[in-house]
Parts: sequence; structure tokens; C-alpha cells
Amino acid sequence: QKEVEQNSGPLSVPEGAIASLNCTYSDRGSQSFFWYRQYSGKSPELIMFIYSNGDKEDGRFTAQLNKASQYVSLLIRDSQPSDSATYLCAVYNNAGNMLTFGGGTRLMVKP
Amino acid sequence: DTGVSQNPRHKITKRGQNVTFRCDPISEHNRLYWYRQTLGQGPEFLTYFQNEAQLEKSRLLSDRFSAERPKGSFSTLEIQRTEQGDSAMYLCASSYDKNIQYFGAGTRLSVL
Repeated sequence: QKEVEQNSGPLSVPEGAIASLNCTYSDRGSQSFFWYRQYSGKSPELIMFIYSNGDKEDGRFTAQLNKASQYVSLLIRDSQPSDSATYLCAVYNNAGNMLTFGGGTRLMVKP
Repeated sequence: DTGVSQNPRHKITKRGQNVTFRCDPISEHNRLYWYRQTLGQGPEFLTYFQNEAQLEKSRLLSDRFSAERPKGSFSTLEIQRTEQGDSAMYLCASSYDKNIQYFGAGTRLSVL
């Protein structure tokens, strides 16, 4: 079992809709959770991080964390074609001093 | 803030050659990380420095790979006797806060 799991997609949503991206992780000692966006051929770009259970909002993005269920999600409201990218979920565990990434979910926003 | 800088951006080499990549972190960041990413996969951790000390190494880092951060500023990653399986994007990230890592543009290695 992979440590961080994401559906590879593609997830296709129409422009203006809400895109919902999900991630599960196996290590209960994980303490910090991150979402990176990666355009094709480019490097990962940090868009959100969350440490505590609940929701965290930043503009059109909302990260949600449920440590009991070992589940983290990213909602993108009013999706735009420019949001089309691969979204990487990453988990940080202090003991490991590293980020562990999922395989990413490819999002396609259609005009 | 100039961000994390990596050079070269692209490297094409023949199997068996040695290659070296450089990473310049964000200036006030004391932590530096190397990751490798292959097509369709998320980045995989290779190694981590706090200042000049290499504190973590992945089992992915075979003895053909070596990384240094001699003065706690820039870092180099060297691959000796390259193999076709080494073809990947090599990503460097840095952080001040131990969690929040910012990535450079990466070095894409192609081994022919």
C-alpha cells in the first residue's frame, strides 16, 4: 500500500464548477499536509497547507483535513481552464524530515 | 526573494558518464532537499540537509549518488556512471520552517 494515495484522474469539470480532489495517507504520525500544483513539464508549486482538523480557505481554494479518517482534500471553487494541472498531495512527518507525495490527480477544466 | 535556483535546466548525457547538478536555495533557508520525479509519479525524496549536515538519505540514493552542501548554502548532486534508469527530473526544495518547502524549476536528466 502506498503511503499517500490519490486518484490519478483525469478529473474533468466544466468551467465555473467546483473541483474536489482527494487524498488519503497511511501514517498516523503525519503532522502537516500540503497541496502542490504542477503544470506539465514544470516543478511543483505550493498552493495550500493545513495542520489542524477542519477547513482552511484561501481565495478559491479550500483544504480540508480529517486526521481520524486520514483524509485530506482540496476544493477549487469557480474552476478556470488555467487550473488545469496535476495536483499533488504531500504529507510531512517530523520523524522522517521529508515530504511524501501521492502520485497526483490530473485536473482538466473545460471551457 | 529570487526563489530556488537549479542549474542546468536540462542535461543530456551518455550512459556511463558522470553528471553534477547545482541548487541554490532561498537565501535565508537553512534546510535543503533533493527529490527525483519520473513521468506520471509524484516526487520521491532523495536526501536532506540542515545547514551543511546531511541528515537523511533515502534508500533510493545508491552509492552512485552523492550530495554535498559544503558551506550550508548551495548544494550539488552528483550521479556517477549514469544509467538509463536515472533519467528523471531532479528537484531541489528549500525551507526555513521545517515543513513548508519551495521547489526550484528542476533539472531534467536524459541518459542515452
